[in-house]
Amino acid sequence: TQLLEQSPQFLSIQEGENLTVYCNSSSVFSSLQWYRQEPGEGPVLLVTVVTGGEVKKLKRLTFQFGDARKDSSLHITAAQPGDTGLYLCAGWNNAGNNRKLIWGLGTSLAVNP
Amino acid sequence: GAGVSQSPSNKVTEKGKDVELRCDPISGHTALYWYRQSLGQGLEFLIYFQGNSAPDKSGLPSDRFSAERTGGSVSTLTIQRTQQEDSAVYLCASSYRLTEQFFGPGTRLTVL
Repeated sequence: TQLLEQSPQFLSIQEGENLTVYCNSSSVFSSLQWYRQEPGEGPVLLVTVVTGGEVKKLKRLTFQFGDARKDSSLHITAAQPGDTGLYLCAGWNNAGNNRKLIWGLGTSLAVNP
Repeated sequence: GAGVSQSPSNKVTEKGKDVELRCDPISGHTALYWYRQSLGQGLEFLIYFQGNSAPDKSGLPSDRFSAERTGGSVSTLTIQRTQQEDSAVYLCASSYRLTEQFFGPGTRLTVL
């Protein structure tokens, strides 16, 4: 069974601080995705990383895919209250003819003004 | 264009009653997924449709849960004889290229 473990589970920081969220697995994924979910809404895709060692930047967010494609990290620089939300990582399982995302449990981030 | 829509947005029901949850995917999206999310938690996969067929039903928690999709579009998730542990947010997502999933706002189900 493929699992994705996210840490930390909860994070409460002050505006302007930096933070890193981790997504780890013992399994190899063809790609990993990061989603952000706000209360009362569905998750929204932030980024997809495909190549081992890949780094992608989205404004103040930096995403990295591990060399072995088993783990990923999300780093936020100078966090803003608007970054508050549930951050979910998800990996594609290409087993057989079925393709479905394997989801982590999420990191709940609160950025306080 | 319109995103994924789900109805109702909230549903309160009594234990033992049946409920139907509806998902309208983005037009042209061939893949459709149902997930369940408990408060502040990650997503629990329920079922996946490709067109009208369901190649993966492995996530359905019990035989009280069923889903169908007609015309390659609208999908309905039915929960029979609801139990309190069925209370959760039920999310639907659609996808065209099996890469990015577009989610609806979810249906919050409360079983009293």
